[in-house]
Amino acid sequence: DAGITQSPRYKITETGRQVTLMCHQTWSHSYMFWYRQDLGHGLRLIYYSAAADITDKGEVPDGYVVSRSKTENFPLTLESATRSQTSVYFCASSDPRLNQPQHFGDGTRLSIL
Amino acid sequence: KQEVTQIPAALSVPEGENLVLNCSFTDSAIYNLQWFRQDPGKGLTSLLLIQSSQREQTSGRLNASLDKSSGRSTLYIAASQPGDSATYLCAVIPPHGSSNTGKLIFGQGTTLQVKP
Repeated sequence: DAGITQSPRYKITETGRQVTLMCHQTWSHSYMFWYRQDLGHGLRLIYYSAAADITDKGEVPDGYVVSRSKTENFPLTLESATRSQTSVYFCASSDPRLNQPQHFGDGTRLSIL
Repeated sequence: KQEVTQIPAALSVPEGENLVLNCSFTDSAIYNLQWFRQDPGKGLTSLLLIQSSQREQTSGRLNASLDKSSGRSTLYIAASQPGDSATYLCAVIPPHGSSNTGKLIFGQGTTLQVKP
């Protein structure tokens, strides 16, 4: 089915561990985004990618790494997780050539103990 | 720096009432404005997208308006139903020249409860 899927849906890990959140979309959208959602801050952009091998920082990139070797995948890695990175993470995709809204995944709820 | 504000943070209304949700933004230079709905534990679902050159968009019982000069948008929900209960988020995309950057800047949302 066409869509955008995130995995895992839930993850619990410890401080200092590396964790990777996966995002896969089937529309061949050129743009992909990672947001985090926190009480009191709303949704904030972490990183985005305009195409394969092109990535750039958003509003809150510190502590995160992204890569995009294929158009359909956009993984987000926390290289050394901290408690402040406990959040709900959303991946989204869009085609900026089209006047259409972004499509969002169902999110990954990440808890860092 | 563009900032998006939504007031009120929460709203409770009886079923059948017409209601308006408000969104304001500090910089009138936007590429487009989008309204989303978020149900608990779920992702965001797009409701309406208004291009910067447009004044309003309609979908079913929903109508969104845009006034760039005053930095405001409203989402009008007609004949509200309990199934409309959710958090409604407003977001703008700042332009990069005349291009669509795709980078959404969100308000913190209005949580709506429609009571039967």
